[in-house]
Amino acid sequence: ETGVTQTPRHLVMGMTNKKSLKCEQHLGHNAMYWYKQSAKKPLELMFVYNFKEQTENNSVPSRFSPECPNSSHLFLHLHTLQPEDSALYLCASSYRGGTSNEKLFFGSGTQLSVL
Amino acid sequence: QQQVKQSPQSLIVQKGGISIINCAYENTAFDYFPWYQQFPGKGPALLIAIRPDVSEKKEGRFTISFNKSAKQFSLHIMDSQPGDSATYFCAPSGTDKLIFGTGTRLQVFP
Repeated sequence: ETGVTQTPRHLVMGMTNKKSLKCEQHLGHNAMYWYKQSAKKPLELMFVYNFKEQTENNSVPSRFSPECPNSSHLFLHLHTLQPEDSALYLCASSYRGGTSNEKLFFGSGTQLSVL
Repeated sequence: QQQVKQSPQSLIVQKGGISIINCAYENTAFDYFPWYQQFPGKGPALLIAIRPDVSEKKEGRFTISFNKSAKQFSLHIMDSQPGDSATYFCAPSGTDKLIFGTGTRLQVFP
């Protein structure tokens, strides 16, 4: 158990639906991340939050909307997605954030299918 | 941009053999060189990492070899076991975010 919990594990949604992914970390970390993992492509960093403040938005389309109410919880709100958004969405946390030489702790991900 | 090139894409090794995965990078500012391991249905987990002040680091059966002049580092898995079957990612970084490689799927057969 990595201490980072993601729900749901699987999600199927239509292009007009609105859904949210949830991530919770029990490690006392201050930084949280959303990554997208597609087949045969590198992990793509989407968003970074450090002490609840967004410190990075990696040119992510506005149909993805993150929310970080506190250092332990992170959400990704989804609306009007496209089929090419189907992927594994991974949440991660680290102690400090803002520095790259840190160990990332990943959740098991949400496998998203957009029909 | 392709800052990190990982090879091979897939690797099949017999139990007890040596698995070698390579990572080439372009950015000379990178100063942290980790390898992450990902099992099916799980997120990646840090396996082993090295700083550029040493050329090799060993943890059990896993060794990182680092060649600063060639801008390459590699993961060696000695006495490979079926339980090592997973996807491995290099993720070098400097003062900015980690840059993940495309991954190497390792299969170890008994």
